[in-house]
Amino acid sequence: EVQLVESGGGLVQPGGSLRLSCAASGFTFSSYWMSWVRQAPGKGLEWVANIKQDGSEKYYVDSVKGRFTISRDNAKNSLYLQMNSLRAEDTAVYYCARVTIFGVGIVFDLWGRGTLVTVSS
Amino acid sequence: AIWMTQSPSLLSASTGDRVTISCRMSQGISSYLAWYQQKPGKAPELLIYAASTLQSGVPSRFSGSGSGTDFTLTISCLQSEDFATYYCQQYYSFPPTFGQGTKVEIK
Repeated sequence: EVQLVESGGGLVQPGGSLRLSCAASGFTFSSYWMSWVRQAPGKGLEWVANIKQDGSEKYYVDSVKGRFTISRDNAKNSLYLQMNSLRAEDTAVYYCARVTIFGVGIVFDLWGRGTLVTVSS
Repeated sequence: AIWMTQSPSLLSASTGDRVTISCRMSQGISSYLAWYQQKPGKAPELLIYAASTLQSGVPSRFSGSGSGTDFTLTISCLQSEDFATYYCQQYYSFPPTFGQGTKVEIK
């Protein structure tokens, strides 16, 4: 079955760290760009970060630059998001998403069910 | 940055209705627009890309139209499983951004 399964969310204090994981199965993980997209409670969707197939290119939304690091392990079919210096506004469900490039940009054609990150004291 | 205005934010409709959702851009994006459906507690699913191309497996009652700055998602005959929140997403410029969402609820 083609799927993405996130893990690693939880409650963390402001300033703390958390590492999210995403396990991919049912498709050739190493052939795709991958992304993290988040959704704050009751809010819309926000793209967070992208990583190229071989990990050589990474891109981030401005609000997480310098604090979050996206990475992948193609041998393990896994995607990661290391989140440091967490803030209350980082509270969200974090989705792992497979990227397909159409023309000049990207769409997200496969999503995991998400993992909740709560930043609170 | 490209500003996106999705409307309405809430749409009340009945099974069998034809519904339309609008997504307007602050600048032209050609046809680089996608639509997603999200049901409560679930991950979003891609419905349409390139403004009007149905993703594999999506029912034909869904259709998309538009180019430039104005786009529309239409559900021709609303089914019970279509009550959900719908998001547009532009992928013309970086970073990719989403509309605020339209919740389609039962009237």
